[in-house]
Amino acid sequence: GENVEQHPSTLSVQEGDSAVIKCTYSDSASNYFPWYKQELGKGPQLIIDIRSNVGEKKDQRIAVTLNKTAKHFSLHITETQPEDSAVYFCAASNGRGYSTLTFGKGTMLLVSP
Amino acid sequence: DSGVTQTPKHLITATGQRVTLRCSPRSGDLSVYWYQQSLDQGLQFLIQYYNGEERAKGNILERFSAQQFPDLHSELNLSSLELGDSALYFCASSVEGWEETQYFGPGTRLLVL
Repeated sequence: GENVEQHPSTLSVQEGDSAVIKCTYSDSASNYFPWYKQELGKGPQLIIDIRSNVGEKKDQRIAVTLNKTAKHFSLHITETQPEDSAVYFCAASNGRGYSTLTFGKGTMLLVSP
Repeated sequence: DSGVTQTPKHLITATGQRVTLRCSPRSGDLSVYWYQQSLDQGLQFLIQYYNGEERAKGNILERFSAQQFPDLHSELNLSSLELGDSALYFCASSVEGWEETQYFGPGTRLLVL
C-alpha cells in the first residue's frame, strides 16, 4: 500500500520567516495530495490540495509544489504568523477504486513572535 | 466549525469493555470516514461508508466495527477494549468520497484504564 513520509517532525521559526514541510510518497499512481492543519484540541482542517496534473498551487501565504518524478510534494508557508502554529499533515490518495487517504506522521510548527 | 459533530467528546472506560462513538456528517455529505489518531501512529484510516454501504477498509481491528444508518449518521463500535486502544477517534465526511475535501469532526478522546 501507499506509504507517506513527512519531514521534519518539528519546525520552529520566527514570525515573518518562511516554513517548508516536505513529504514523499511511494505509490506512483497517487494523484491527489491534500494538506491538513490541526490546531490543539480540534480536528484536522484542509488548507490546500494539489492534483497530479498541476505542479504548483498557491493560496495567499500558502503554496504547495509537486514533483511527480521524484514522488515528493512540499508545503510552503511565507510570512509566518503565531496563529500558523499547529500540526500539519500531508496525505496522498492513489485514485484506484475507492481510494483513501494515507497521512504522514505530521509536523509540529511553532512560530515565535 | 466543520459541520461534522461527534459524541461523546471524552470517554473513559475499562479494559474489556465496549463503547460506541457517534458521528453526524455535514448536511448533504454521503460519505463518512473514521480515523484513529495516536501519538506514535499518527492518523490511521479505519473505515469508510458511502450512503449506508461499506466502501473501504483500512487498519481496522476485528474488535472494531462501524455502520452508517439511513439518516447518514455513523457509529463506530469498539469492543474488548485494550489499553492500546486509547486514542483520539475522528470522523470525517465528504460529498461523494472520491478524492475530495474531507471535513473532520472535533473527535472523541477515548481513555482505556
